[in-house]
Amino acid sequence: GAVVSQHPSRVICKSGTSVKIECRSLDFQATTMFWYRQFPKKSLMLMATSNEGSKATYEQGVEKDKFLINHASLTLSTLTVTSAHPEDSSFYICSARPRRSSGNTIYFGEGSWLTVV
Amino acid sequence: AQSVTQLDSHVSVSEGTPVLLRCNYSSSYSPSLFWYVQHPNKGLQLLLKYTSAATLVKGINGFEAEFKKSETSFHLTKPSAHMSDAAEYFCVVTRNSGGYQKVTFGTGTKLQVIP
Repeated sequence: GAVVSQHPSRVICKSGTSVKIECRSLDFQATTMFWYRQFPKKSLMLMATSNEGSKATYEQGVEKDKFLINHASLTLSTLTVTSAHPEDSSFYICSARPRRSSGNTIYFGEGSWLTVV
Repeated sequence: AQSVTQLDSHVSVSEGTPVLLRCNYSSSYSPSLFWYVQHPNKGLQLLLKYTSAATLVKGINGFEAEFKKSETSFHLTKPSAHMSDAAEYFCVVTRNSGGYQKVTFGTGTKLQVIP
């Protein structure tokens, strides 16, 4: 099946620094990629939707200047958490929709654990 | 507008007994429906999907789900639970909207399997 790779799987950064998380579709081209955040004991929260070559669409309440999303190619999207704070510590997951997707299937990465100290 | 309701936040079954995880949806359009499983500290894995073909969908690991339009339901079942099935399960509905894809997650159901 389609594979989505996220890197890094775990990252620890200091408060005030920025950290980048990559999401790659390994064996398909993804016209649309999604970024989610999962709070403890909560469901996934969609942060933003990115389409290749255009600006990301952010969900209400998500700071676009803090969570920078870039979808530079059909196989790569990045999420950069700028000026990270401890409250940004969370599990971030990306998903990708293949260019030729039957029935809107989306595939998820393994997720990235971010800890801000 | 679309929404997904997972009726149970926790389900506990004994090993070897049937599993039923309930999901109801609402959508103004013909949706696609999915079940994903998330094991502890892992990402999401696709279990099965409904995309307007057969209403009874078979997935991996012995899971299946039936799309019932009249009941707006897409419940996930498995005849016999295994210890390795203990995880969190998410029901998801998607549809295309203006060339973009709208994805809505349920709040998840945590499945506990008792030996």
